[in-house]
Amino acid sequence: NAGVTQTPKFRILKIGQSMTLQCTQDMNHNYMYWYRQDPGMGLKLIYYSVGAGITDKGEVPNGYNVSRSTTEDFPLRLELAAPSQTSVYFCASSYNQGLNTEAFFGQGTRLTVV
Amino acid sequence: DQQVKQNSPSLSVQEGRISILNCDYTNSMFDYFLWYKKYPAEGPTFLISISSIKDKNEDGRFTVFLNKSAKHLSLHIVPSQPGDSAVYFCAAGSTLGRLYFGRGTQLTVWP
Repeated sequence: NAGVTQTPKFRILKIGQSMTLQCTQDMNHNYMYWYRQDPGMGLKLIYYSVGAGITDKGEVPNGYNVSRSTTEDFPLRLELAAPSQTSVYFCASSYNQGLNTEAFFGQGTRLTVV
Repeated sequence: DQQVKQNSPSLSVQEGRISILNCDYTNSMFDYFLWYKKYPAEGPTFLISISSIKDKNEDGRFTVFLNKSAKHLSLHIVPSQPGDSAVYFCAAGSTLGRLYFGRGTQLTVWP
């Protein structure tokens, strides 16, 4: 059982470049999330989705876009990379929201923008 | 504006003793709380949760206590083991909203 899979694990981007962070889950979860973790900081929600075709902004959505065309996939798009987007990105999924609804996280993507 | 605060960035405990990790929150609408554990180069993994209608929840060596009036929760690990060394994140949410995470506490358990 793969769980939540993120690719790539590492990436270096130049300022102004674009890229897509891939996330897929095989647990048939409705909810999917993208978080970023800056050094010494907690996880901040970028975008989330409650089901295919539905997405919503989190705490720090600026500079990012998402889509949810299938239940399994939730890619995160960076259009014009900036040094402030250097971070570790985590994708997560959960069956529902609320108590006893643990979120399963991927291993993370470490992104550096130079 | 941090709604979930973990004021201790690190904690060092001897093996066999109790580890107590603390977490404070500001939003009285939160009705469930979770603890996650994170090892280096891995994603966070769920550890234990508690509903706002309870004040204690146990799972083996891990116990979470909730004090709603103080808006405070704590995670107790007894006895602590070297394999418990990790970053622990406190998270809070309401059934209507999303999860808010604290900054994490690095726990080191030494032999």
